[in-house]
Amino acid sequence: NFMLTQPHSVSGSPGKTVTISCTRSSGSIATNYVHWYQQRPGSSPTIVISEDDQRPSGVPDRFSGSIDSSSNSASLTISGLKTEDEADFYCQSYDTNNHVIFGGGTKVTVL
Amino acid sequence: QVQLQESGPGLVKSSQTLSLTCNVAGGSINSAGYYWSWIRQHPGKGLEWIGFIYYGGLISYNPSLESRVTISVDTSQNHLFLKLTSVTAADTAVYYCARRTELYNSPFDSWGQGILVTVSS
Repeated sequence: NFMLTQPHSVSGSPGKTVTISCTRSSGSIATNYVHWYQQRPGSSPTIVISEDDQRPSGVPDRFSGSIDSSSNSASLTISGLKTEDEADFYCQSYDTNNHVIFGGGTKVTVL
Repeated sequence: QVQLQESGPGLVKSSQTLSLTCNVAGGSINSAGYYWSWIRQHPGKGLEWIGFIYYGGLISYNPSLESRVTISVDTSQNHLFLKLTSVTAADTAVYYCARRTELYNSPFDSWGQGILVTVSS
């Protein structure tokens, strides 16, 4: 099986851009879709990016996703950072048995 | 819009069985095309997938929990169930039920609010 590794935390000032990486330990990052969830304190996770780079309806276009085969990682970028973006973010994918794999989560702090 | 709501005891004694229910409203749990999962989150930690049940009866569990977990449904009540046996303090967590579609590698599009279960000694 593989792991998804995320940085423990990232931070940025309002209006700036932050990027969260999600690195797959084995197998190609392109093999299975990567999804991103935002979890505010005391709330359930909500999807912000699906299928590597798709933004669900209602998610601001400040959120974008991508994958990079050279680094075998997915990335979530938040531009025009707002205080409301302060939350934990998780990447998620699947293995060959359709088992769910989550990254360890990244805390985004707006300075 | 489907709504999920977990319920069950918030306190379970060590070595006993944790039993939770997820009520599904606004959609049938017996509808084709959906996987119904349980996911947990230890206090201050990340998300851990427990397992899923799929329309038609396909069930799959996280290998790390497989020996202690049972996921089932009651289609007449539109309920999803989780049983976790021989619990220890390490099973203290917020437990979520969540739904995804059957499309290839689809995301979880609906989550319950979660229920905190504490295992006491």
